[in-house]
Amino acid sequence: GAGVSQSPSNKVTEKGKDVELRCDPISGHTALYWYRQSLGQGLEFLIYFQGNSAPDKSGLPSDRFSAERTGGSVSTLTIQRTQQEDSAVYLCASSSSWKGEQYFGPGTRLTVT
Amino acid sequence: QQQVKQSPQSLIVQKGGISIINCAYENTAFDYFPWYQQFPGKGPALLIAIRPDVSEKKEGRFTISFNKSAKQFSLHIMDSQPGDSATYFCAAQGGSEKLVFGKGTKLTVNP
Repeated sequence: GAGVSQSPSNKVTEKGKDVELRCDPISGHTALYWYRQSLGQGLEFLIYFQGNSAPDKSGLPSDRFSAERTGGSVSTLTIQRTQQEDSAVYLCASSSSWKGEQYFGPGTRLTVT
Repeated sequence: QQQVKQSPQSLIVQKGGISIINCAYENTAFDYFPWYQQFPGKGPALLIAIRPDVSEKKEGRFTISFNKSAKQFSLHIMDSQPGDSATYFCAAQGGSEKLVFGKGTKLTVNP
């Protein structure tokens, strides 16, 4: 079956612009996660959704970052007023159950110039 | 504060050899320990996972060994192949939904 998909695969943006990153989880998966992977910091948790609710937003690095999930499926991660330190690969994962196995998408590589 | 420490950062093994990657954790609330394999330009792929009620889990050439008292776990890749060359991440979960990752080990298997 189809895995987690993310779009775009690559995004180059100018400093100060807003960007939206999209995640389509595996069909039927109720839990959805966003992580960020950068050279210096490894893989970092950003936010977790159960259904359309976000019980854990503890990893969002600043108020420039926000995320939403609609219909218990697609999620969008928005970064406002992008900074160069936001350059990273943004990964989405989904899981079929509470504390179940997490399956990752291919990621979106964001480059802020 | 790094909650999961992974070593080594890089590892070079000859084809047919055994690759061993180690991880240590501090948070005793962790109760699920997966390993992920990542190829360049791809997302991490779940390889194998263990819960603390067992000390070892084997799937094909991949084995996780778990030592609860020492708060350590390791990945063993038997008969390592060039196709195993990738970055491997250990992770831990417990008390919350999020995975806490180690920094990764870049494995190179020479033919």
